[in-house]
Amino acid sequence: TAGITQAPTSQILAAGRSMTLRCTQDMRHNAMYWYRQDLGLGLRLIHYSNTAGTTGKGEVPDGYSVSRANTDDFPLTLASAVPSQTSVYFCASRDSSGANVLTFGAGSRLTVL
Amino acid sequence: DAKTTQPNSMESNEEEPVHLPCNHSTISGTDYIHWYRQLPSQGPEYVIHGLTSNVNNRMASLAIAEDRKSSTLILHRATLRDAAVYYCILRPYNQGGKLIFGQGTELSVKP
Repeated sequence: TAGITQAPTSQILAAGRSMTLRCTQDMRHNAMYWYRQDLGLGLRLIHYSNTAGTTGKGEVPDGYSVSRANTDDFPLTLASAVPSQTSVYFCASRDSSGANVLTFGAGSRLTVL
Repeated sequence: DAKTTQPNSMESNEEEPVHLPCNHSTISGTDYIHWYRQLPSQGPEYVIHGLTSNVNNRMASLAIAEDRKSSTLILHRATLRDAAVYYCILRPYNQGGKLIFGQGTELSVKP
């Protein structure tokens, strides 16, 4: 089934360690996004990429970096994790051919201790 | 960015219609109205969107007020699988997918 694959599904990480959340899409969408979701705060945009080779900052970019070497992959890296980065992370891609709707992955639950 | 206001929660009975309201009094003329929903332990999924006219698709209908300051997502026959958080979002035409999610409405469906 076409869509977005995120990995890992769940991870526990010690504070100070680095971590890369992987996101791959097979829909050839140009734009991709990373959101985090926390109780009471809803979904907040971390970083985005309008096309391969470009990235931009969202609402809450601090402590995160992204890269977009090709159309399909959009990894999110935490260089030195802190407990406040405990969250559920969702990757999404956008179909810009008409409705401009987002397709989301199933999410990655990260716990930083 | 224009904001939306939705009730925190709503209840419905199975197989009855559900009307989920959204206020967006500061909407601009080029903002699209998008609805997404998020089932438990899943990522959000697209439901429907519109600009000025009412819209129908296989999942739902979207009724947009004439002044566009409010809209209503209509689920014609709620099922237990429709229990989710429903988000009403305004998307400026030139902002691509940088959607700003609010708190949404948590819909519970009783058998």
